[in-house]
Amino acid sequence: DQQVKQNSPSLSVQEGRISILNCDYTNSMFDYFLWYKKYPAEGPTFLISISSIKDKNEDGRFTVFLNKSAKHLSLHIVPSQPGDSAVYFCAASIMNRDDKIIFGKGTRLHILP
Amino acid sequence: GAVVSQHPSWVICKSGTSVKIECRSLDFQATTMFWYRQFPKQSLMLMATSNEGSKATYEQGVEKDKFLINHASLTLSTLTVTSAHPEDSSFYICSARGGRGPGGELFFGEGSRLTVL
Repeated sequence: DQQVKQNSPSLSVQEGRISILNCDYTNSMFDYFLWYKKYPAEGPTFLISISSIKDKNEDGRFTVFLNKSAKHLSLHIVPSQPGDSAVYFCAASIMNRDDKIIFGKGTRLHILP
Repeated sequence: GAVVSQHPSWVICKSGTSVKIECRSLDFQATTMFWYRQFPKQSLMLMATSNEGSKATYEQGVEKDKFLINHASLTLSTLTVTSAHPEDSSFYICSARGGRGPGGELFFGEGSRLTVL
């Protein structure tokens, strides 16, 4: 039972354009969502997060949108840069219950020159 | 920023041997550390939560006698893969939270790639 789903295993975007990575979740108890970026053979690094009391959070080129009614969130990267090529993991947790973070399978983003 | 270090970064061992992977928080104390496993083209799978001074909490389906976790201090957790077999070959990643609560930033180690021959 996959609680966090990233249905697109890969995505290719032209440099300078907007990259949109999508994530769906099934557990309505999730109230905190995170995006991580991972390069091959390295551990993931935190990118941006959003609490369920918000519907948008922006940090530089990265913006995360949350649609609670649809149980859907997305990460927008604009403009996309070559260094953005990596695997992006969507993750979710339930605040104040435990520290577990449930990850999606990831989406591999290719930024094309 | 906070740093989590893993060692070794890669290890090759024979089937039947045991392998220990260390996870250290370098500039902060972590009462809780997490161990993940990643198979190729798959998600990070939480294996267990390592609690300083107490027994680890294992996720369903993870054999606690197979994957021994020890959290001896606030800066060190170890994962020992006992009697390793080829199917244990994987990328193991640890993490620790720099702040309190599940909303805080989670810092990950570099990962350890285990190959069992």
